[in-house]
Amino acid sequence: KAGVTQTPRYLIKTRGQQVTLSCSPISGHRSVSWYQQTPGQGLQFLFEYFSETQRNKGNFPGRFSGRQFSNSRSEMNVSTLELGDSALYLCASSAGTGAYGYTFGSGTRLTVV
Amino acid sequence: KQEVTQIPAALSVPEGENLVLNCSFTDSAIYNLQWFRQDPGKGLTSLLLIQSSQREQTSGRLNASLDKSSGRSTLYIAASQPGDSATYLCAVSQAGNMLTFGGGTRLMVKP
Repeated sequence: KAGVTQTPRYLIKTRGQQVTLSCSPISGHRSVSWYQQTPGQGLQFLFEYFSETQRNKGNFPGRFSGRQFSNSRSEMNVSTLELGDSALYLCASSAGTGAYGYTFGSGTRLTVV
Repeated sequence: KQEVTQIPAALSVPEGENLVLNCSFTDSAIYNLQWFRQDPGKGLTSLLLIQSSQREQTSGRLNASLDKSSGRSTLYIAASQPGDSATYLCAVSQAGNMLTFGGGTRLMVKP
């Protein structure tokens, strides 16, 4: 069965621009969560969606937003990019509560110049 | 607020050695604990998932234990191989449908 698919794999953007990342979860999984990974801060939780509703949000500025579609695919948007937004963005899918664990995608490497 | 700590931060061992990676967490109210492996620039690969009611899980050369009351987990790797070189991350799942990660242990297995 197909895993978690993230697109694109790599992105280079200029400060001030905005970016949209996409994540398709494992078939049948209705929960998608997003994480930011940087060398200095490690892996940090951004937000989680279940059945098109955001259930939880991490401590990130409002420039970071997301949404989930009826087919469970999710997008994450970052507006007014800053150099510090350069990171590996990972999404994870789960069946619902995380009781059966999380499966991660390969990530999108975002570089802001 | 949950805090997860992994010790050591880095480890270098000769091939064939058995090794133990440590993970500790401050809040014992967890659903489960998951160990992941990450190769440079890649995503996370799930290795083992231990439910809060379980004491250990095994997969091949890997064995993970969980002591929820003391807030500790260990990942035991038997007969290490160069292909085991990677960063190993532990993460706890709690209410809020989110994972809290440790900083990881970077493992190098030398041939």
